[in-house]
Parts: sequence; structure tokens; C-alpha cells
Amino acid sequence: DAGVIQSPRHEVTEMGQEVTLRCKPISGHDYLFWYRQTMMRGLELLIYFNNNVPIDDSGMPEDRFSAKMPNASFSNLKIQPSEPRDSAVYFCASSLQLYTEAFFGQGTRLTVV
Amino acid sequence: DQQVKQNSPSLSVQEGRISILNCDYTNSMFDYFLWYKKYPAEGPTFLISISSIKDKNEDGRFTVFLNKSAKHLSLHIVPSQPGDSAVYFCAARNTGNQFYFGTGTSLTVIP
Repeated sequence: DAGVIQSPRHEVTEMGQEVTLRCKPISGHDYLFWYRQTMMRGLELLIYFNNNVPIDDSGMPEDRFSAKMPNASFSNLKIQPSEPRDSAVYFCASSLQLYTEAFFGQGTRLTVV
Repeated sequence: DQQVKQNSPSLSVQEGRISILNCDYTNSMFDYFLWYKKYPAEGPTFLISISSIKDKNEDGRFTVFLNKSAKHLSLHIVPSQPGDSAVYFCAARNTGNQFYFGTGTSLTVIP
């Protein structure tokens, strides 16, 4: 398996624009996580899915953020409208079970100018 | 408020010596702890974990120690190698299955 695949690797956008980050989890993994990494707060869990169903979205910072998982092989995280403070590295991760270790993608570095 | 804290943003160690990375937490309901290693431009990779019912877990050069009374865990790397240079994240899971990460410690192993 190629591991967790995220796209794009880098995204630069203007404030107010919609941003969509994509993730393909490892096949067979039932859990998918979206994380955000910043210098100040480290890694923060935004939302996670179990079998395509959102379980805990308490980490989603604002209504501007939304995430969907239409099927077992794809998830996206949308920010609309984007703001400069959303600039961070966004990681997607997947795992077999909630209690097992997660495998991370390479991340998407988002810059909002 | 950070429930998992890594108070040392960076650490430099000579090759062959011991590296000790520290992590403190505030929530006594955490029952599982993990360490992840992250190289630049890559996602974090799992390194080692420990359950709250144990106080030590060893895997090759890596050992994690848990002191529940002090709400403190540490990662020991012996001997340290230049390839160990990376950012190390401490993570904890509570009984509600929520994960919390620290801000990371950047380790540099000097050849």
C-alpha cells in the first residue's frame, strides 16, 4: 500500500477563497483523522471518522471548516472562506482501529495570504 | 489549554550518548501514551507507546517511561544516532478516545 496520500502538498491562496484538502486513507483502515499542525499549538485533532461517519468534530475551529468522507477511500477538508490564521500544515491519518497507531500522510502546507 | 506539554522545544545530543525527551500531561484520565517521530516535509510516524497500567516499555534503542503520580513520561534513546534527528511528538489518549499532542521537541544528534 502506498500509505496515506494527501493532495495538494502545498497550497497558497488568497484570503476569502475556498480551500479543499484531500486525503486517501490506507485501504482497510476504518478510522480517518484530520490534524492541523502549528508552531504554537503543535498537532491538533480537528475531526475523525469511523466507517465514513464523523464521530468527533469538537476540534474543528469554526463553521468555516467542514470535512466529509463520501466513501472509504476519500475524505476532504474544506475551509470557506479561508483566513491568514488558517495557515498551517494539515495532516490526514488513518488507522485500523481507534486504539491502534495512526499512519500519517505527508501533509498539506497551506498558506493563506 | 495544552493538556500535553513538551516544554523543551529543542535538544542537542552527541552521537552515542543518551537522548531524553520529556512530556508532561495534566489529565489523569489519559490511559494510553504514544511517541511519534517527524522528519521535515513528512508526516509523523509512530515510534513507541505505553499503556497507563505500565511504567516502562522498551523497543530496541527506544524506551518510554511513565510516571503516573508525576503525570510525566519520557522517551530515552540509547545510543543516539544522527538519523534520530527529527521532531518528536508526545501524544495521549483519554478514556473518551480523544487524542492530544504536544508541541514537539526537535532533537539534533551531532556526529
